[in-house]
Amino acid sequence: EIVMTQSPATLSVSPGERATLSCRASQSVRTNLAWYQQKPGQAPRLLIFGSYTRATGVPARFSGTGSGTEFTLTISSLQSEDFAVYHCQQYHNWSPLTFGGGTKVEIK
Amino acid sequence: QVQLQESGPGLVKPSGTLSLTCAVSGGSISSSNWWSWVRQPPGKGLEWIGEINHSGSTNYNPSLKSRVTISVDKSRNQFSLKVNSVTAADTAVYYCGGNYGGHFDYWGQGTLVTVSS
Repeated sequence: EIVMTQSPATLSVSPGERATLSCRASQSVRTNLAWYQQKPGQAPRLLIFGSYTRATGVPARFSGTGSGTEFTLTISSLQSEDFAVYHCQQYHNWSPLTFGGGTKVEIK
Repeated sequence: QVQLQESGPGLVKPSGTLSLTCAVSGGSISSSNWWSWVRQPPGKGLEWIGEINHSGSTNYNPSLKSRVTISVDKSRNQFSLKVNSVTAADTAVYYCGGNYGGHFDYWGQGTLVTVSS
């Protein structure tokens, strides 16, 4: 099983500032990495797939980078609607598909 | 736009069977998607349970494989989950999802299932 580790667990950021979230895989997943945003009481929403491709309708302030075992999600200028939990997920090895533990982005 | 909706009992007794159904609308379950179940215990992260495609091929999380069955009903455009021998550790919000190429493009709203006597 590929273990996904996200850091930090909680990130305190002021509106308008940049947020940088990290995701590490226990072995290479190439660029088979997705990011999701989850707000309280809601299902996750796909933001990024293929490490850097934004899903339909995702604002350009969200960007993903990385390959192999190290990945980053950057939110260039945090808006009020961006405060949420962010999950990474690998789909290089489907037995099983695995998620990170999540990073909560909260208002500083 | 594909939409998913979970349904099923919100309370299951320990040692019983958890049964949920996911109705697919706005698209055909016979598309090239795989259809998955993912769960999230309260306050915790996401765990993939398993998936099925329109022809009935399945993949399961090895950690749950012995207790889980996922099936598809093409005539009703829906798929289902059964988890046997449940315990309190199976208490979670259960989501159905559609994944194409491994990432989840579609999600249901989720349904909380509590295991308690």
